[in-house]
Amino acid sequence: DQQVKQNSPSLSVQEGRISILNCDYTNSMFDYFLWYKKYPAEGPTFLISISSIKDKNEDGRFTVFLNKSAKHLSLHIVPSQPGDSAVYFCAAGPSGGYQKVTFGTGTKLQVIP
Amino acid sequence: EPEVTQTPSHQVTQMGQEVILRCVPISNHLYFYWYRQILGQKVEFLVSFYNNEISEKSEIFDDQFSVERPDGSNFTLKIRSTKLEDSAMYFCASSEAAGANQPQHFGDGTRLSIL
Repeated sequence: DQQVKQNSPSLSVQEGRISILNCDYTNSMFDYFLWYKKYPAEGPTFLISISSIKDKNEDGRFTVFLNKSAKHLSLHIVPSQPGDSAVYFCAAGPSGGYQKVTFGTGTKLQVIP
Repeated sequence: EPEVTQTPSHQVTQMGQEVILRCVPISNHLYFYWYRQILGQKVEFLVSFYNNEISEKSEIFDDQFSVERPDGSNFTLKIRSTKLEDSAMYFCASSEAAGANQPQHFGDGTRLSIL
């Protein structure tokens, strides 16, 4: 039962262009959404998050958009840099209680210099 | 910046043997987690731990698994009788509080190889 889905396993983008990574979720109880970035041989690192009361959150080059009616979120990276090349995981869960965070399968982003 | 540390980075074990994976969470964090990632697959939740008790576990976390906080700093995952399918990266994470709105800080993982 994949409650968090990232349908694109990989994405290649030219340096300086926009990278758009997508994520869909099915569980209506999820009200908080996070993006993690993972380099090879390292653990996931928190990147940016958004609460369900918002539809956009921006942090520097990274912006997350949330469309609750579509149960869809996306991560925009502008401009993309070679150092952004990594696997990006979408994660979601309820903001309260002990409930676990559910991760998507990840999208491998390659930024080409 | 404080970080979560995991040891060993790579563990090779014979099938049927017991293995203990160790983690030192960030010192002021109260919630601890174990995840695993089988090669090429998604990061899967195993267990969360708070106040010396398991607060939630997944269906993967069966009787062969156990967690413990033996002292004030370490958090361990024990796999009692390892199987070939236990081969994976195991990540420890910690957070200040519970809930998805508290980002979890991950260690760099232990690669467990079962022969």
